Amino acid sequence: NAGVTQTPKFRVLKTGQSMTLLCAQDMNHEYMYWYRQDPGMGLRLIHYSVGEGTTAKGEVPDGYNVSRLKKQNFLLGLESAAPSQTSVYFCASSLGQGEGQPQHFGDGTRLSIL
Amino acid sequence: GIQVEQSPPDLILQEGANSTLRCNFSDSVNNLQWFHQNPWGQLINLFYIPSGTKQNGRLSATTVATERYSLLYISSSQTTDSGVYFCAVRTSGTYKYIFGTGTRLKVLA
Repeated sequence: NAGVTQTPKFRVLKTGQSMTLLCAQDMNHEYMYWYRQDPGMGLRLIHYSVGEGTTAKGEVPDGYNVSRLKKQNFLLGLESAAPSQTSVYFCASSLGQGEGQPQHFGDGTRLSIL
Repeated sequence: GIQVEQSPPDLILQEGANSTLRCNFSDSVNNLQWFHQNPWGQLINLFYIPSGTKQNGRLSATTVATERYSLLYISSSQTTDSGVYFCAVRTSGTYKYIFGTGTRLKVLA
């Protein structure tokens, strides 16, 4: 049981390049989330999804797009990378919104924009 | 929106000491989690505790929802407890979790 798997683990981009981060979960979870973590700060929510085919904006959505074409996958895209998007990105999933349904996190993707 | 404050921001302990970490939140919540981020950056679930008290080995947590705070207790600390401890909360009617800025713990051998 792999849980939540993020690909890639590390990436360096040049300003203006595009890329997609992949999050895959094998727990049949409905909800999936993308966060970013900047030095000395907690996690901030970028986008989230409450089911296949749905997405919604979080706290800091600008500059990012997401897609949830399959229940097990949640993709985060950067169309034109900027140095301000240098961060560690975490994906999480949860079974649903009710009691006893915590978030489970992937190991993160460290992204540097030069 | 809801504000989440954690204290202390930094804590240094000798191995074997006990500690209490606090998470205050400014509105009613229906979901609260404590996480440990280890030195490798991994986020480990510690507790899902919107109310009440739970224990897991040397760790325990208490959330007093009516007074809008949660406490994480670490007893007989070990060097492997080092890292950053986060609480995250969600309010009723939303899907968004809000994280505190964390408590950075260093346990010295």
